[in-house]
Amino acid sequence: NAGVTQTPKFRVLKTGQSMTLLCAQDMNHEYMYWYRQDPGMGLRLIHYSVGEGTTAKGEVPDGYNVSRLKKQNFLLGLESAAPSQTSVYFCASSYGEGSLPYEQYFGPGTRLTVT
Amino acid sequence: QQQVKQSPQSLIVQKGGISIINCAYENTAFDYFPWYQQFPGKGPALLIAIRPDVSEKKEGRFTISFNKSAKQFSLHIMDSQPGDSATYFCAAYDNDMRFGAGTRLTVKP
Repeated sequence: NAGVTQTPKFRVLKTGQSMTLLCAQDMNHEYMYWYRQDPGMGLRLIHYSVGEGTTAKGEVPDGYNVSRLKKQNFLLGLESAAPSQTSVYFCASSYGEGSLPYEQYFGPGTRLTVT
Repeated sequence: QQQVKQSPQSLIVQKGGISIINCAYENTAFDYFPWYQQFPGKGPALLIAIRPDVSEKKEGRFTISFNKSAKQFSLHIMDSQPGDSATYFCAAYDNDMRFGAGTRLTVKP
């Protein structure tokens, strides 16, 4: 049982390049989330999904897109990377409606640097 | 603008001492207040949580105290151990989670 896994672990991009971060979970969770973590800011929600085929904006969605084509996967895309997107990105998942909504399981993170 | 304010930013405690981390919020619609623990290079993990209709919750050495009228809550770690050294985040949940900025705790042996 791997829990929540993220690919890649590290990435360096040049300004204007694009990339996709992959999140996978094997806990059959309904809800999935993408956060970014910046020093002094805590974690901020980028986008989330309450089920396969659904996505919604979080607190800081600008510059990012997401897709959830399969229940176990949640992809985060950066179409044109900017230095302000340098951050550590965390994916999380939770059981969904009827469970404890604050009980989220986090992946190990992806450290992204945009130069 | 952060909806959950956390202090201190960093904390150094001797082994066996009590670690106290404080958080404050404004939005009275929040209905859960969890704490997450994060070790270096890892993702955060849920530690303990409380609802606003409860004033205190204890799990082992970890206690949350909640003051609804003051809109404040705090984490107390009793008999702090070097293995507790980590970053702690308070959070508040109302349809989505809002995290505090984090407190880096160091417990010296």
